[in-house]
Amino acid sequence: ETGVTQTPRHLVMGMTNKKSLKCEQHLGHNAMYWYKQSAKKPLELMFVYSLEERVENNSVPSRFSPECPNSSHLFLHLHTLQPEDSALYLCASSLYNEQFFGPGTRLTVL
Amino acid sequence: QKEVEQDPGPLSVPEGAIVSLNCTYSNSAFQYFMWYRQYSRKGPELLMYTYSSGNKEDGRFTAQVDKSSKYISLFIRDSQPSDSATYLCATINRGYLSGTYKYIFGTGTRLKVLA
Repeated sequence: ETGVTQTPRHLVMGMTNKKSLKCEQHLGHNAMYWYKQSAKKPLELMFVYSLEERVENNSVPSRFSPECPNSSHLFLHLHTLQPEDSALYLCASSLYNEQFFGPGTRLTVL
Repeated sequence: QKEVEQDPGPLSVPEGAIVSLNCTYSNSAFQYFMWYRQYSRKGPELLMYTYSSGNKEDGRFTAQVDKSSKYISLFIRDSQPSDSATYLCATINRGYLSGTYKYIFGTGTRLKVLA
């Protein structure tokens, strides 16, 4: 384990549901990231938080909403998702230039 | 042109073979290069980290960077079935926020080492 944990590990939801993904790191890192990993595609950076500032990839739909209450916790709130949002969602944290990943949440949208 | 290109494979080799995994990148300003290994149903784990050109060795793994041709390689000697995983190359650029870096990943190459 890298010190980055994610819950739940698996999630199946309907298109009308609202759910949240959680990420926690106890490495003392100061930046946290959400990535989307789909088959045969590069990891897609969705959101970055550092020192309470946020940057987002403009191509991420508004049905994904991040929240970072402190430097150790990161959430991804999901609502009215589409089947094409089914993927592995990875959280990562970093201090300087090495990123460490969590195990991911496998999301299936029916 | 993609910033980092990687053949998705799959690549199947017999146990004990030398494996060569490769990526190309487009921006000559990139200086840091990483290889991540990702087992099925797990997140990527950092395997090797190199700066600029040259080789770096760690046990059975050697990472090589050729900046003149913008080519990065990962060699695995005496490959084992436990090496079966997806290998992602990555490089980084200055991030959007102070203290962060923009990671640019390849698609990953699926490797299968047959016993």
